[in-house]
Amino acid sequence: DIQMTQSPSSLSASVGDRVTITCRASQGITSYLAWYQQKPGKVPELLIYAASTLQSGVPSRFSGSGSGTDFTLTISSLQPEDVATYYCQKYNNAPLTFGGGTKVEIK
Amino acid sequence: QVHLVQSGAEVQKPGASVKVSCKASGYIFTYYTLHWVRQAPGQGLEWMGWINTDDGNTKYSQQFQGRVTITRDTSASTAYMELSTLRSDDTAVYFCARGTVTYYFDYWGQGTLVTVSS
Repeated sequence: DIQMTQSPSSLSASVGDRVTITCRASQGITSYLAWYQQKPGKVPELLIYAASTLQSGVPSRFSGSGSGTDFTLTISSLQPEDVATYYCQKYNNAPLTFGGGTKVEIK
Repeated sequence: QVHLVQSGAEVQKPGASVKVSCKASGYIFTYYTLHWVRQAPGQGLEWMGWINTDDGNTKYSQQFQGRVTITRDTSASTAYMELSTLRSDDTAVYFCARGTVTYYFDYWGQGTLVTVSS
């Protein structure tokens, strides 16, 4: 099975900072990669699918890039409401594995 | 608007089974797959399996093979996830999620806490 590895596992940044989270697949998954945001105590929400397509309603400060095995989620200007854990997920075939998550906090 | 509403919290003893429901509304139930994901306390997301709501075909994670059964009732627009032979490490929040044509998840249920304790 393909493994999904996220880094870092946690980060602390200041409001307005550019934040980058990486996700690596152990084998190529073309662009079948989604990103989810889970705020504390809440249900996960879809941010990005097809590696770089922003889900409707998601602020434009979020962006995704990559294909094959290496992917990136970028928050261009971190806001207090972005405090959350972010997960990548492969969905090219089963199992639909998630990465381990990246917890983002405000410094 | 799309809603996935799950059944309420459960407390079960080790060795027992639990069945969680997920009622869909706001869309044609059989047009989308339905997935189950769990999250142990303080841990990440773990995909368990899915059901093709149209033909009832299922696919399960190898980790849960033999213990999990996903079914659906199209007349009630409801999917079910049954997990058997429960252990303490099955204590988690269980989510249902709607899968798009290409299987990423665009809507999620509110989650159901299942506690396994003697």
